[in-house]
Amino acid sequence: AQKITQTQPGMFVQEKEAVTLDCTYDTSDPSYGLFWYKQPSSGEMIFLIYQGSYDQQNATEGRYSLNFQKARKSANLVISASQLGDSAMYFCAMRESLANFGNEKLTFGTGTRLTIIP
Amino acid sequence: DTGVSQDPRHKITKRGQNVTFRCDPISEHNRLYWYRQTLGQGPEFLTYFQNEAQLEKSRLLSDRFSAERPKGSFSTLEIQRTEQGDSAMYLCASSLLLAGVLNIQYFGAGTRLSVL
Repeated sequence: AQKITQTQPGMFVQEKEAVTLDCTYDTSDPSYGLFWYKQPSSGEMIFLIYQGSYDQQNATEGRYSLNFQKARKSANLVISASQLGDSAMYFCAMRESLANFGNEKLTFGTGTRLTIIP
Repeated sequence: DTGVSQDPRHKITKRGQNVTFRCDPISEHNRLYWYRQTLGQGPEFLTYFQNEAQLEKSRLLSDRFSAERPKGSFSTLEIQRTEQGDSAMYLCASSLLLAGVLNIQYFGAGTRLSVL
């Protein structure tokens, strides 16, 4: 089974509108972290936002927020007031067994290509 | 503060040749990671180092692949006898493992390998 599932291969959004990128995950580990990265055409993966499995509140970072629904195992990224520069690939990733310093592996989804339309 | 630097950005080679990539992590970062990303997929974990020690290797890392981080600073990833299936983007990331601090992996722009 896929550990991280991103069901939207591509999305087109009008500039200044809000957009939600979906991410569902699968783990039996009680301690895990969820990450969102942005990958522009230049190739570099840019860290956007993090949510820990024990965090009580949804994470926010500027225009980015994470809609974390633990029971549904979903961690959707919300981008408010989209800008042309938001056009990129967006990846959801998970790190399990946070209590174990030896487990460093990030497992990524297949990504969503977001295109902002002027 | 410079980010993670990877060299070269692009590499074209013929099947059977050896290639080596270099990664310079963010200064003071004690952990360094290698991932591979094929077209249409997310990055897949290959291996990681804490300082100079290689602590984990994925099954994806066949015997033809070797990674080193000799002085705990930069790292090299070598692929021997390249195959067409090795064509991919090779991404390097680094992080600072510090008690009580969220361990975020910061990525470089990658090396795109094309095996002809």
